[in-house]
Amino acid sequence: DAKTTQPPSMDCAEGRAANLPCNHSTISGNEYVYWYRQIHSQGPQYIIHGLKNNETNEMASLIITEDRKSSTLILPHATLRDTAVYYCIVRVNYGGSQGNLIFGKGTKLSVKP
Amino acid sequence: GAGVSQSPSNKVTEKGKDVELRCDPISGHTALYWYRQSLGQGLEFLIYFQGNSAPDKSGLPSDRFSAERTGGSVSTLTIQRTQQEDSAVYLCASSLQRVDGYTFGSGTRLTVV
Repeated sequence: DAKTTQPPSMDCAEGRAANLPCNHSTISGNEYVYWYRQIHSQGPQYIIHGLKNNETNEMASLIITEDRKSSTLILPHATLRDTAVYYCIVRVNYGGSQGNLIFGKGTKLSVKP
Repeated sequence: GAGVSQSPSNKVTEKGKDVELRCDPISGHTALYWYRQSLGQGLEFLIYFQGNSAPDKSGLPSDRFSAERTGGSVSTLTIQRTQQEDSAVYLCASSLQRVDGYTFGSGTRLTVV
């Protein structure tokens, strides 16, 4: 069973904010939300993660709803180099298979000039 | 080195031969994952190492696949009696702690002919 649901694809205009949604309605209290992206022909790249508070770093912001059932990754000023498949993953941070990083199908974001 | 290093970057082998793929994680990183990605497909979890604990092998697709991690550092993924369906990009990732984001290598592209 998939733990997350993401739209298969999205478009965004260059220079605009890209808002990528993720539903994780069955998330448990000790599961974190992680975001990775994979640019064509490269290995995945870690972006950000959070538990319940909103997080921001130099790449993106992560907004998690109060009930934790969904989140949004925000790229504030998308560039053509942000075109990639974006993966939302929920996982615990301790031992056992529940802590494995399991990738779904992700959202293919196309940034257009 | 500064990143996760994988070798070789490309490997072509004949069906039935054994292959070894190498991963040099970032120095000091205790957690290490192997994934594979077939053409046009998502990332498939294979195996996870954490420090000196027994590895989580739950993702290995058959007993032809094995992996080891010597001295908590370098890891080798071995595929015996390779089959054409083993053709894929094999990716390695490491992290300082399981809670942190993972840094992926560029992968080894394996082609079985």
